Amino acid sequence: NAGVMQNPRHLVRRRGQEARLRCSPMKGHSHVYWYRQLPEEGLKFMVYLQKENIIDESGMPKERFSAEFPKEGPSILRIQQVVRGDSAAYFCASSPARGRNNSPLHFGNGTRLTVT
Amino acid sequence: AQTVTQSQPEMSVQEAETVTLSCTYDTSESDYYLFWYKQPPSRQMILVIRQEAYKQQNATENRFSVNFQKAAKSFSLKISDSQLGDAAMYFCAASGSRLTFGEGTQLTVNP
Repeated sequence: NAGVMQNPRHLVRRRGQEARLRCSPMKGHSHVYWYRQLPEEGLKFMVYLQKENIIDESGMPKERFSAEFPKEGPSILRIQQVVRGDSAAYFCASSPARGRNNSPLHFGNGTRLTVT
Repeated sequence: AQTVTQSQPEMSVQEAETVTLSCTYDTSESDYYLFWYKQPPSRQMILVIRQEAYKQQNATENRFSVNFQKAAKSFSLKISDSQLGDAAMYFCAASGSRLTFGEGTQLTVNP
């Protein structure tokens, strides 16, 4: 029973390029969350999605960042025109459809983005 | 809005000893859950233990237990008989409308 799958594990981009991070939730999970972890810091909420819907994007920067979770395929976190400050570990997590509050999130291993 | 505060950036413990990691939180939610996650150097986020806020009984998972003080909004993690493999960053988290994490406590286990 595969867990949350994120790829790539490491991603290097030059300033101004685009970064696309992928997340496949656990089987049976229809809720996806993206978190960002800057060096030496905790995880900061970015966005919460269900299939084809963005439920809460209050943690997303207003510009350059977008997320989607299509009906088919993985969830994608897209960062356009990356800057050095985007360098961080990006974690995806999923939970079952039955509810949020009592469902511990299952995390992927993260994608470490490095902007040079 | 929710906030989670971990006041100990670093802690250390001798192997086989007991250590307690502190966490306080603030939430306006009436129905919420509390969690401790462990993040080893591999960066994987591993759920250690969770507590339902409506339950007074403290959760326990083998060597891990919590001291949940709802009125004080305190949720500390006790690790008994510490092992070298317990060395990691530990994050306290609260869930309401979203999961909010503290800044973490780096635990070192000395042999």
